Amino acid sequence: SAVISQKPSRDICQRGTSLTIQCQVDSQVTMMFWYRQQPGQSLTLIATANQGSEATYESGFVIDKFPISRPNLTFSTLTVSNMSPEDSSIYLCSVMTGLTDTQYFGPGTRLTVL
Amino acid sequence: AQKVTQAQTEISVVEKEDVTLDCVYETRDTTYYLFWYKQPPSGELVFLIRRNSFDEQNEISGRYSWNFQKSTSSFNFTITASQVVDSAVYFCALSYGTSYGKLTFGQGTILTVHP
Repeated sequence: SAVISQKPSRDICQRGTSLTIQCQVDSQVTMMFWYRQQPGQSLTLIATANQGSEATYESGFVIDKFPISRPNLTFSTLTVSNMSPEDSSIYLCSVMTGLTDTQYFGPGTRLTVL
Repeated sequence: AQKVTQAQTEISVVEKEDVTLDCVYETRDTTYYLFWYKQPPSGELVFLIRRNSFDEQNEISGRYSWNFQKSTSSFNFTITASQVVDSAVYFCALSYGTSYGKLTFGQGTILTVHP
């Protein structure tokens, strides 16, 4: 399985600011995804990070709020823009090494917005 | 639309008891994958199993076993002789989309194993 790291592991931010979360994988992967886990809730898919092109967003999530980049096959970033307390969540990236392979998750970034 | 239901919000057992976590899913896809993940208090999501829709064989891995029944759209997870270290939130998930990479998660079951 791929080894996935995320930075930062946690952060406390002020309302109205933006935070960029990095996801780094130790090997090339086919698919990368970003999920959100609100406090005490399940995981919800935000978007698929596409290498070299715009991300594909799920219903309820928009690029202006959650811009995503994926410049290569091992790295992606998720920005949470103009944050509000409702954005306080754990943000997780996940990867698949092949189209029909298992999906593995990074350790998550725990974000608190004051 | 895809949906995963984990009806048990919380389960509490005493060590060495067997416990079964239920998962019922809905999908119109004929090909899909089902997953179980464990989320211990530390927060990371640990992969436990993946099963594709064409493989209904039950699987056993140590104290863990899974029962997949397409007829009832269920993919239940049993822990035999539970241990305190099994205490965690367990999520069942269903793939969707052509890449099978997008996952719909159930609400999770909080399992607490008391010594």
